[in-house]
Amino acid sequence: DAGITQSPRHKVTETGTPVTLRCHQTENHRYMYWYRQDPGHGLRLIHYSYGVKDTDKGEVSDGYSVSRSKTEDFLLTLESATSSQTSVYFCAIGRQGGTEAFFGQGTRLTVV
Amino acid sequence: QKEVEQNSGPLSVPEGAIASLNCTYSDRGSQSFFWYRQYSGKSPELIMFIYSNGDKEDGRFTAQLNKASQYVSLLIRDSQPSDSATYLCAVSYGSGNTGKLIFGQGTTLQVKP
Repeated sequence: DAGITQSPRHKVTETGTPVTLRCHQTENHRYMYWYRQDPGHGLRLIHYSYGVKDTDKGEVSDGYSVSRSKTEDFLLTLESATSSQTSVYFCAIGRQGGTEAFFGQGTRLTVV
Repeated sequence: QKEVEQNSGPLSVPEGAIASLNCTYSDRGSQSFFWYRQYSGKSPELIMFIYSNGDKEDGRFTAQLNKASQYVSLLIRDSQPSDSATYLCAVSYGSGNTGKLIFGQGTTLQVKP
């Protein structure tokens, strides 16, 4: 959907390297989220943001950091990638004042 | 530990039948409840949300909420093969309107022609 884009869509990286995933929105929403989806675990919240420079941890934040310097961009960084971080990562924006999460296309990350 | 439980399925129904998907949740403080549909290899798509006890209908979809029983369900009438997907139940958590969600693992629905 044009309202939210994630980049890259696919990435293979080596264990121990830093990785940054980008989420870009064109709808000026206050709330943005990063989730990961794994078989057997469903979707789990990593971090979320409620405004520029305002972020907080979700359920599975260890090993991840985020930054939001502009309303439209929410970055997820894996400081030192591990194989357990191989997953599909979804960014979401909170439409309707944050009450309805709308998801981007996802980024498939493989750590080898 | 906040939890959302769904039967993983697969739930198989014939075309034209009613599909019934169920979800239970553990956090009594949850206020908002959502159903997402996810096709294989795609992102979750919001199809229904419900905030109050009772039923909410939108086209062929009906969401039902019973907060006393901590139970939410989704009925799909006149099921079509295009409804074949994984359906994710999601429940809000945390204070304030932050939009944070706990997801169930999803129920796979197969609609057979």
